[in-house]
Amino acid sequence: KNQVEQSPQSLIILEGKNCTLQCNYTVSPFSNLRWYKQDTGRGPVSLTIMTFSENTKSNGRYTATLDADTKQSSLHITASQLSDSASYICVVRVPGGGNKLTFGTGTQLKVEL
Amino acid sequence: NAGVTQTPKFQVLKTGQSMTLQCAQDMNHEYMSWYRQDPGMGLRLIHYSVGAGITDQGEVPNGYNVSRSTTEDFPLRLLSAAPSQTSVYFCASSYASAPSHGTEAFFGQGTRLTVV
Repeated sequence: KNQVEQSPQSLIILEGKNCTLQCNYTVSPFSNLRWYKQDTGRGPVSLTIMTFSENTKSNGRYTATLDADTKQSSLHITASQLSDSASYICVVRVPGGGNKLTFGTGTQLKVEL
Repeated sequence: NAGVTQTPKFQVLKTGQSMTLQCAQDMNHEYMSWYRQDPGMGLRLIHYSVGAGITDQGEVPNGYNVSRSTTEDFPLRLLSAAPSQTSVYFCASSYASAPSHGTEAFFGQGTRLTVV
């Protein structure tokens, strides 16, 4: 069983609408949690980062939340644009040396006119 | 600012052939890693390196070799390609250690490999 589960697997919304993507993790302890955006044919790019002591973090139209007690995170996208069409991946970093990451399977978002 | 550069972008191999995927970064990052991305699965760690001369196995290392002779380069070698190695491969780099906020991993563009 994957230690980082994301839902929904895929989502289609109309341009201008809001949406929320979910991430549940069992990795423990964890150092931080990031949301990455992966455009088709490209590598993932970091959107937000949160440590266990942070509840919310915004980056423009993207707002991530974290509940370390329930081990849940969400990514809220406001006023979606066509360019938001991508895969959004939740990634948890394990404490210790190096930068070991555990990846979710991603949510494929498509924004339509 | 090149970041992480992977070559080639696409490759088709016959079963049994060998090849090397190249990865270079210009950010002086200590930590470099290789992942494979398959449909319906999260990125999985193949091999990683915390500095020049140091490499270690990740989650799915079988059939792959790596070396780290310089800080900048981290090539991935497929010794004898198999159809199960058909995948998209990503190289990433980051600082090896950091304060509580951790480090951002920077990814290359990926190599789409097909083994027939």
